[in-house]
Amino acid sequence: EDQVTQSPEALRLQEGESSSLNCSYTVSGLRGLFWYRQDPGKGPEFLFTLYSAGEEKEKERLKATLTKKESFLHITAPKPEDSATYLCAVSGTASKLTFGTGTRLQVTL
Amino acid sequence: DGGITQSPKYLFRKEGQNVTLSCEQNLNHDAMYWYRQDPGQGLRLIYYSQIVNDFQKGDIAEGYSVSREKKESFPLTVTSAQKNPTAFYLCASREASNEKLFFGSGTQLSVL
Repeated sequence: EDQVTQSPEALRLQEGESSSLNCSYTVSGLRGLFWYRQDPGKGPEFLFTLYSAGEEKEKERLKATLTKKESFLHITAPKPEDSATYLCAVSGTASKLTFGTGTRLQVTL
Repeated sequence: DGGITQSPKYLFRKEGQNVTLSCEQNLNHDAMYWYRQDPGQGLRLIYYSQIVNDFQKGDIAEGYSVSREKKESFPLTVTSAQKNPTAFYLCASREASNEKLFFGSGTQLSVL
């Protein structure tokens, strides 16, 4: 059974204070690892797909990396508007997404 | 604008009542999904459909039903058999060649 564990559950940063969110996974035949951003009361918004170990993708202040066991979402010099819950999900040979419980990020002034 | 529309935004269910959540997409995607989100838990798959007139149970299908009569529409009915229906319900779709899901804005269902 595919499993995804995200840590920490919650993270509070000051504006400009860089940090990383972790997504550890076990999956049979990784077809893709996905990062989403979710604002309160809204649906998840797609950020990145990573397909193989060593792959990296960037978007503004966010950078996602992937190893054979985990993925990191690095946030560089965050701003208050980066506050949200960040979800990680994996797709394996069953072609079904398994989601983690998310990391709630709060960025304060 | 292409996207997924869920309605209503908020829904209240009385005991013993069936309620239906609407999901419409104009992305021309074949596959559509229903997820349930509870605080502190990951998204859990209720039902999914890969093609019109066909659908499969997900991990937590008991107490729910769906139909897929049109490519654009995938309504979810929460039946009276679902004893703990209070949750945030998310509809999603994806294109055939990609695992990436596009989500609607969700429906919050509560019990009166």
